[in-house]
Amino acid sequence: GAVVSQHPSWVICKSGTSVKIECRSLDFQATTMFWYRQFPKQSLMLMATSNEGSKATYEQGVEKDKFLINHASLTLSTLTVTSAHPEDSSFYICSARDVGVTSGGPLETQYFGPGTRLLVL
Amino acid sequence: GNSVTQMEGPVTLSEEAFLTINCTYTATGYPSLFWYVQYPGEGLQLLLKATKADDKGSNKGFEATYRKETTSFHLEKGSVQVSDSAVYFCALQETSGSRLTFGEGTQLTVNP
Repeated sequence: GAVVSQHPSWVICKSGTSVKIECRSLDFQATTMFWYRQFPKQSLMLMATSNEGSKATYEQGVEKDKFLINHASLTLSTLTVTSAHPEDSSFYICSARDVGVTSGGPLETQYFGPGTRLLVL
Repeated sequence: GNSVTQMEGPVTLSEEAFLTINCTYTATGYPSLFWYVQYPGEGLQLLLKATKADDKGSNKGFEATYRKETTSFHLEKGSVQVSDSAVYFCALQETSGSRLTFGEGTQLTVNP
């Protein structure tokens, strides 16, 4: 199946710094990517929907200025955690939407990246 | 709104035991249903899916049937292995291209 990569896989930073996480679709183009946050032993919480060439759509309660999303190309979306604080420590997962063509019509599948673990000290 | 409810975990089984993880959903339309698996320290992998009522998704010995009458999509496997130890998430998608709504996740541990 299609592959989605994330970089870095681990990041440790000091409080107050900004951290950028990249999400790439390696063998398909994705006009839509999604960013999730997962706390230990909890489910995924959708943070925002990233659309290539336009502004991201944020979920209620997610600060746009805190979590900056850029989707500048069909294979890359970035999430920047600005002025990170210890409460931002979490596992961040992206997914990319692939729409394939089949005899039965378009087939959409979301492929998930391996995640980025952020620890803010 | 849409929601997904999974059976509470953690679930601990012996190797070769039968597995059932319950999943029920609430949706306004006719969603597609998914099971994802997350191995320790990794992202999610699609395990199986079903897009309409009575469809059965299957993969790697796991099965789940889309039951519209009971709004359920229970995951089953006849004989689990140690390598099946992971967290399993049930999810729904109301329309193609829309967001996924996840359940709480169920931790499965299989002992040799």
